[in-house]
Amino acid sequence: ETGVTQTPRHLVMGMTNKKSLKCEQHLGHNAMYWYKQSAKKPLELMFVYSLEERVENNSVPSRFSPECPNSSHLFLHLHTLQPEDSALYLCASSPTGQVAHYGYTFGSGTRLTVV
Amino acid sequence: QKEVEQNSGPLSVPEGAIASLNCTYSDRGSQSFFWYRQYSGKSPELIMSIYSNGDKEDGRFTAQLNKASQYVSLLIRDSQPSDSATYLCAVVGVGSARQLTFGSGTQLTVLP
Repeated sequence: ETGVTQTPRHLVMGMTNKKSLKCEQHLGHNAMYWYKQSAKKPLELMFVYSLEERVENNSVPSRFSPECPNSSHLFLHLHTLQPEDSALYLCASSPTGQVAHYGYTFGSGTRLTVV
Repeated sequence: QKEVEQNSGPLSVPEGAIASLNCTYSDRGSQSFFWYRQYSGKSPELIMSIYSNGDKEDGRFTAQLNKASQYVSLLIRDSQPSDSATYLCAVVGVGSARQLTFGSGTQLTVLP
């Protein structure tokens, strides 16, 4: 365990379903991130939260909806996804304003398959 | 031009050899550089960070940074089969100080 926990580890959902991914960290970090990792492509930044405020939304389709109720929890709500959304979704955290020094701590990821 | 570029590989080296992984970046003002290791089906884990020109050593790993050439590398000495993984280069740029920008990774295979 890295200190960042993601659930579920695997998720299969239909295109009409609604599901949520959960991320939880107890490292005292105040910045949290959602990344998408598809095969043979760089990690794609989706959302950034700093001190529970969304500070970055990287042109992500509205079928992905983030929520950060507090600095320890981050959710990614999914609805009406497409097969091309199948990927590994990674949550990461970092001390606010110190990513340049500490980098990220990643969660174990959720492998999402849209059928 | 990609912001962070890596050779995708695969790179194969025999056990005990030195593996050399390379990364170039486009943001000349970038200050912080990281190497992550990602085993198949797992999440990335941080193995090295470097901020100043020159070499930084940690066990069998050496990170090298040349800001003038916008180039960062990772050397793995005495490579072991357990080093077989994808290695991701990540950069904190001037224009994106809140986040890391990643390369697509280099797949390394160490042959027994």
